[in-house]
Amino acid sequence: AQSVSQHNHHVILSEAASLELGCNYSYGGTVNLFWYVQYPGQHLQLLLKYFSGDPLVKGIKGFEAEFIKSKFSFNLRKPSVQWSDTAEYFCAVIRAAGNKLTFGGGTRVLVKP
Amino acid sequence: DTAVSQTPKYLVTQMGNDKSIKCEQNLGHDTMYWYKQDSKKFLKIMFSYNNKELIINETVPNRFSPKSPDKAHLNLHINSLELGDSAVYFCASSLHTLRPQETQYFGPGTRLLVL
Repeated sequence: AQSVSQHNHHVILSEAASLELGCNYSYGGTVNLFWYVQYPGQHLQLLLKYFSGDPLVKGIKGFEAEFIKSKFSFNLRKPSVQWSDTAEYFCAVIRAAGNKLTFGGGTRVLVKP
Repeated sequence: DTAVSQTPKYLVTQMGNDKSIKCEQNLGHDTMYWYKQDSKKFLKIMFSYNNKELIINETVPNRFSPKSPDKAHLNLHINSLELGDSAVYFCASSLHTLRPQETQYFGPGTRLLVL
């Protein structure tokens, strides 16, 4: 079965620090990849997505993610975080021929002011 | 305007009760979903309906029954609630059955606590 792993469950960092969140998936075929964010008390929102083309994807709020097919990874990055980036981040994968989105366990990010 | 809405936002109830959670989307999407987020924050799909037709039915106890009166609504009815049903339930929708270039839009979640 397809699975999605997010290795860091909790990340604590200070404002202006750089952030990188890991995401690995287990499916060997063509996949489409997503990062969602859930701010405290809010619903899930799409940060960015990858389907094809340039493996470096830019999303909203200064986030970007790089798809490395050989490593089955889709890591999320932000060069300089703000306090407002405090949230839970979820990686999700769907097979190109599939109809079901599989989520990772989420990474809780706390940015200290 | 709220794209995907759920009611209620919070639901506290006793074991053994029957309860329903409602979901509505005003995006004109054909496909709707129910997800369960457990205490460890894992999001797992439960059901998916496309234009009122069930297309995904994961291994979910048959105490859970989705109902889609029209393509803009997907309600979740739960019979004989158990402690383990305590979770946050998210509704979502997408334009068509999820495929490349499609994004799912999520509701705010319903936090269910079974005592």
